[in-house]
Amino acid sequence: DIQMTQSPSSLSASVGDRVTITCRASQGIRNDLGWYQQTPGKAPKRLIYSASSLQTGVPSRFSGSGSGTEFTLTISSLQPEDFATYYCLQHNTYPYTFGQGTKLEIK
Amino acid sequence: QVQLVESGGGVVQPGRSLRLSCAASGFAFSSYGMHWVRQAPGKGLEWVAAVWYDGSSKNYADSVKGRFTSSRDNSKNTLYLEMNSLRAEDTAVYHCAREDFRNILRGYLGYWGQGTLVTVSS
Repeated sequence: DIQMTQSPSSLSASVGDRVTITCRASQGIRNDLGWYQQTPGKAPKRLIYSASSLQTGVPSRFSGSGSGTEFTLTISSLQPEDFATYYCLQHNTYPYTFGQGTKLEIK
Repeated sequence: QVQLVESGGGVVQPGRSLRLSCAASGFAFSSYGMHWVRQAPGKGLEWVAAVWYDGSSKNYADSVKGRFTSSRDNSKNTLYLEMNSLRAEDTAVYHCAREDFRNILRGYLGYWGQGTLVTVSS
């Protein structure tokens, strides 16, 4: 199975900060990666697909990059509604696997 | 608009069975691949199963292979997850999710339901 190592597991930041979350795949997955945001009690919401494509309706402060084994999600200027948990998902090879999650908290 | 509504969750004893449903509306259900994803309380997301748009092909996580079966009834716009030999570690919220594009199963999970909670406990 492909392991997705996501870091950091938690992050404290302030409104207006720039933050970066990383996912590393244990083998190459091309650009078959999505980034998801989840708030408590809610379904995950996709922010980025195909590693770097912004989901329709998602603010442009979110961006994704990477290919192969190394991927990043960047939030350019944190807003209050961005404090949530973020997951990457590789969908290159079954079984699909998620990163462990990054909980983004207010400093 | 796309709607996915899961049901069938509840409390079940270890070793017993349960069937979850995911009722779809707002799109041509028979044209889209579907997935199940679960989340144990306080834990991360885990992909569980995928079903081709016509039900002809399925894939499962190792943790549920041989115990869980996903199927669909396209005439009823409903996806199912039959769960047998349930274990405490199967306790989770189970979400169904839809592929972005017709007639493929590639893991582009753009639409999700709110989920249904399954608790396995004696």
